[in-house]
Amino acid sequence: DTEVTQTPKHLVMGMTNKKSLKCEQHMGHRAMYWYKQKAKKPPELMFVYSYEKLSINESVPSRFSPECPNSSLLNLHLHALQPEDSALYLCASSPLGGPKGGGQPQHFGDGTRLSIL
Amino acid sequence: AQKVTQAQTEISVVEKEDVTLDCVYETRDTTYYLFWYKQPPSGELVFLIRRNSFDEQNEISGRYSWNFQKSTSSFNFTITASQVVDSAVYFCALEGGNNRLAFGKGNQVVVIP
Repeated sequence: DTEVTQTPKHLVMGMTNKKSLKCEQHMGHRAMYWYKQKAKKPPELMFVYSYEKLSINESVPSRFSPECPNSSLLNLHLHALQPEDSALYLCASSPLGGPKGGGQPQHFGDGTRLSIL
Repeated sequence: AQKVTQAQTEISVVEKEDVTLDCVYETRDTTYYLFWYKQPPSGELVFLIRRNSFDEQNEISGRYSWNFQKSTSSFNFTITASQVVDSAVYFCALEGGNNRLAFGKGNQVVVIP
């Protein structure tokens, strides 16, 4: 079993719907990540939170809105998505390490498979 | 900018054969970290190993071994005596000074019983 829990595992939504993806970890990690992964491609970074503050936004469209309510939870709010947003959405967490905070392995959840109709 | 190249897209082996996955990286950072992750069909990326740029020791963990060579900018991964459970996509990744993981395109390993 993964130590990063993502819900739901599958989501089908229309282009006008609003939904949220949830991610939870209890490993005490202070960095949390959202990735998007299309079939047969590597994961693409979307957002990074460090100490519950957004530290990296990889120019993601505003129809994706992240939220980190506390150190264990990470949400991704979805609104007015497009068919090309259909993908596997992965959450990850890691300790913050070193002066620049890098180099720590990321622990991934199973992902949410999102389909936009 | 960081770049990771995994040239082999899909590799098929018969069970009990060895398989080596090549990973070549590019970075201008002097301090960086290299990773291998396994992604089974369930979707979760499983962390396998991390190496920092100052540690060129090779490592063996059970049937898995890694060969890190800075001189050729390579971090290759070998699965010895492959098993069906090894069937997955394997990603090599690099993290440099920008604190972002740059993934290679991945190697789809298919182990045939």
